[in-house]
Amino acid sequence: DAGVTQSPTHLIKTRGQQVTLRCSPISGHKSVSWYQQVLGQGPQFIFQYYEKEERGRGNFPDRFSARQFPNYSSELNVNALLLGDSALYLCASSPGQYSYEQYFGPGTRLTVT
Amino acid sequence: GENVEQHPSTLSVQEGDSAVIKCTYSDSASNYFPWYKQELGKRPQLIIDIRSNVGEKKDQRIAVTLNKTAKHFSLHITETQPEDSAVYFCAASPGKLKYGNKLVFGAGTILRVKS
Repeated sequence: DAGVTQSPTHLIKTRGQQVTLRCSPISGHKSVSWYQQVLGQGPQFIFQYYEKEERGRGNFPDRFSARQFPNYSSELNVNALLLGDSALYLCASSPGQYSYEQYFGPGTRLTVT
Repeated sequence: GENVEQHPSTLSVQEGDSAVIKCTYSDSASNYFPWYKQELGKRPQLIIDIRSNVGEKKDQRIAVTLNKTAKHFSLHITETQPEDSAVYFCAASPGKLKYGNKLVFGAGTILRVKS
């Protein structure tokens, strides 16, 4: 799990702006999932990507989008930021589409003012 | 959809005592149940997991039990130490193809081990 990296570590944005978060999975892992963790709550599933295709989607608005690159890294984009988007955004890496174990990165702390 | 409930929300124990955290899930098709430990400001760390075809799994001081009939699973920590203090999350994987390997998390339990 130490191999999952995310950038940036922290980010402050204003309402209405757009943000892009980045994730690199553990070497050899082909699946990346994104989770949102609001303070005091458990992570909530946003997306899973495997082989550059979306394989699962949680209950998030269309303002949230993601993509995966040929090297299996991934970006999460959030448009028209709201105050409620302030959270820790976690990326999880796993070997395959239906692999059970998921290993989390350190997260990106997004603050929307 | 899948719903996971976790209890208690906070738990304080004396060093050396045991701690038990319980979770229930709603979707009988769920087939994978991990537990994560999250220290303040750090990433969730997978500490133990169990699959639906197993009733119990143990790893040193931690163990997980699963009751598929009742749809609940529990984390047991024995001989607790101050470094066990953290937030613990249970999770369940819905097990349906359209969800990929999505995990549904409980709300978390703050464990405090007093020395």
